[in-house]
Amino acid sequence: DTGVSQDPRHKITKRGQNVTFRCDPISEHNRLYWYRQTLGQGPEFLTYFQNEAQLEKSRLLSDRFSAERPKGSFSTLEIQRTEQGDSAMYLCASSGYSAYGYTFGSGTRLTVV
Amino acid sequence: AQTVTQSQPEMSVQEAETVTLSCTYDTSENNYYLFWYKQPPSRQMILVIRQEAYKQQNATENRFSVNFQKAAKSFSLKISDSQLGDTAMYFCAFTTFHYYGSSNTGKLIFGQGTTLQVKP
Repeated sequence: DTGVSQDPRHKITKRGQNVTFRCDPISEHNRLYWYRQTLGQGPEFLTYFQNEAQLEKSRLLSDRFSAERPKGSFSTLEIQRTEQGDSAMYLCASSGYSAYGYTFGSGTRLTVV
Repeated sequence: AQTVTQSQPEMSVQEAETVTLSCTYDTSENNYYLFWYKQPPSRQMILVIRQEAYKQQNATENRFSVNFQKAAKSFSLKISDSQLGDTAMYFCAFTTFHYYGSSNTGKLIFGQGTTLQVKP
């Protein structure tokens, strides 16, 4: 296993379009997290999955955002009707039993024009 | 609310010198983990060092060590013998830990980051 993979690495989209990002965690990790990071800032928590169950969502996750983790494997994060304020790096991370062994992906950089 | 504060937006150090990055946090929890992460430009977040709150001994990983002051809620990172490859943004992060129940999500709360430049 080569770590956490995210696809695409970069995405440029027009305002109002929908976008979907994918995250493939480390196979034996049951916990999966999405974070958003704007330029020069620390990542902010968006949502958390334990296996296929979405157990926590941040208030940052508006109704335009939805995340899934079917069968407890890969996860997708969809943003509908994108806005310029959605421009950011979207990071995925996975861990095993606790946060002790977090592994981050390289992120998807979204630019909304 | 749980918060993490890094008061030094930018720092620089000469190669081979020592530098200390500051971090303070606020929580009412007693069980938690603290982390320092490194994020090189356009590259992924890498764990540098971690500390369990119940351990009094400060964590050390090669050239990296922490000064954990639980009562003061302070968690600074010392980098010794700085190398050019240490140039990156450094984030302090925190997560609570609960031995029982489902509230142990493990989500990280990050500080704003400190950009470290190591100069030759």
